[in-house]
Amino acid sequence: DSGVTQTPKHLITATGQRVTLRCSPRSGDLSVYWYQQSLDQGLQFLIQYYNGEERAKGNILERFSAQQFPDLHSELNLSSLELGDSALYFCASSVGGHRANEQFFGPGTRLTVL
Amino acid sequence: DQQVKQNSPSLSVQEGRISILNCDYTNSMFDYFLWYKKYPAEGPTFLISISSIKDKNEDGRFTVFLNKSAKHLSLHIVPSQPGDSAVYFCAASEAGNQFYFGTGTSLTVIP
Repeated sequence: DSGVTQTPKHLITATGQRVTLRCSPRSGDLSVYWYQQSLDQGLQFLIQYYNGEERAKGNILERFSAQQFPDLHSELNLSSLELGDSALYFCASSVGGHRANEQFFGPGTRLTVL
Repeated sequence: DQQVKQNSPSLSVQEGRISILNCDYTNSMFDYFLWYKKYPAEGPTFLISISSIKDKNEDGRFTVFLNKSAKHLSLHIVPSQPGDSAVYFCAASEAGNQFYFGTGTSLTVIP
């Protein structure tokens, strides 16, 4: 158990809809990272927040947005969903900084868009 | 554009033998490399890393080799154990910025 929790574990929705994925980081961790893993794809970095502020942005679509709240939990909002958005979405947290070996991953949310 | 590539989607190895997982990258500015291990229904967990100033890093049964001229990274597991069966991802970054992950290699260690 990494200490990072993600809800829900599974989500099935239809094209055009909007969903929110939630992540609670490990206690004491200030950074939250979001990754997308599509079929046959590696982990694609989406976005990072550090202590409530956006720190880095990766391959995140304009239809997607995220935020980190004062209690440090984070939400990833996906809107106008398309079939290609079906993927595993991972959240990771770290105390700070950029080094990936400090990142602890949650179990992921599997999103299926029908 | 995939900057980090793992060209072997799967690998099967007999227990006790050596497992060699390979990773190639295209960006010569990458200076930090990692391997992650992932079991089903779990998130990836950090395994081992190497900085570009080194060509080898060892941690128990796991050794990572870096060949900068070939832009090639490999993970050796000796001896392989059934519990090593998992998906292995390599990742790379430049100056601690965004990390780029490969597509993963599924290792099966046969008892």
